[in-house]
Amino acid sequence: AQSVTQPDIHITVSEGASLELRCNYSYGATPYLFWYVQSPGQGLQLLLKYFSGDTLVQGIKGFEAEFKRSQSSFNLRKPSVHWSDAAEYFCAVGHGSFQKLVFGTGTRLLVSP
Amino acid sequence: DGGITQSPKYLFRKEGQNVTLSCEQNLNHDAMYWYRQDPGQGLRLIYYSHIVNDFQKGDIAEGYSVSREKKESFPLTVTSAQKNPTAFYLCASSTGTSSGQETQYFGPGTRLLVL
Repeated sequence: AQSVTQPDIHITVSEGASLELRCNYSYGATPYLFWYVQSPGQGLQLLLKYFSGDTLVQGIKGFEAEFKRSQSSFNLRKPSVHWSDAAEYFCAVGHGSFQKLVFGTGTRLLVSP
Repeated sequence: DGGITQSPKYLFRKEGQNVTLSCEQNLNHDAMYWYRQDPGQGLRLIYYSHIVNDFQKGDIAEGYSVSREKKESFPLTVTSAQKNPTAFYLCASSTGTSSGQETQYFGPGTRLLVL
């Protein structure tokens, strides 16, 4: 069965420092991969997605992610974190011809001054 | 503005009561989805629909029911059979192509609390 692992429940980063959030997936075929962000009490906003092609994907708000098939990973990165980036981040893998998403348990990002 | 609306933002349920959560989209999307979110568990799929008058169970459908009478609407009923309904419920939609290369867009969510 498909699964997504986000090993870090919480991460604290200083404002202006770089960020990397980890995501590992288990899926037999070529995965469709997503990163979403959620502010408290809100819905999910799409940051970026990977379907095929270039394995380095650019998203909104200065985020990027790299698909590494050999490591079954799709880590999210940002070179300089802003206080407004504090939120919960979810990695998801899509599967099936009519896509169903399997989500990781999320990583809560805290930004310190 | 195109988007997904969910109402109400907060909903309270009494013991033995059925409650219905509304989800409407004006994105002209064929596919719609309901997810449940609990702390520390991510999102889990309850039901999904790829076309009007058709829907399928997701991973945690027990105690829930849905209907899809109109393309833009996909209401979720939490029945009295759902013993632990307190959660944050999220509705999503997508274009619904069979290629699988599509993106789900989410509504703002409804928080359901049991009195």
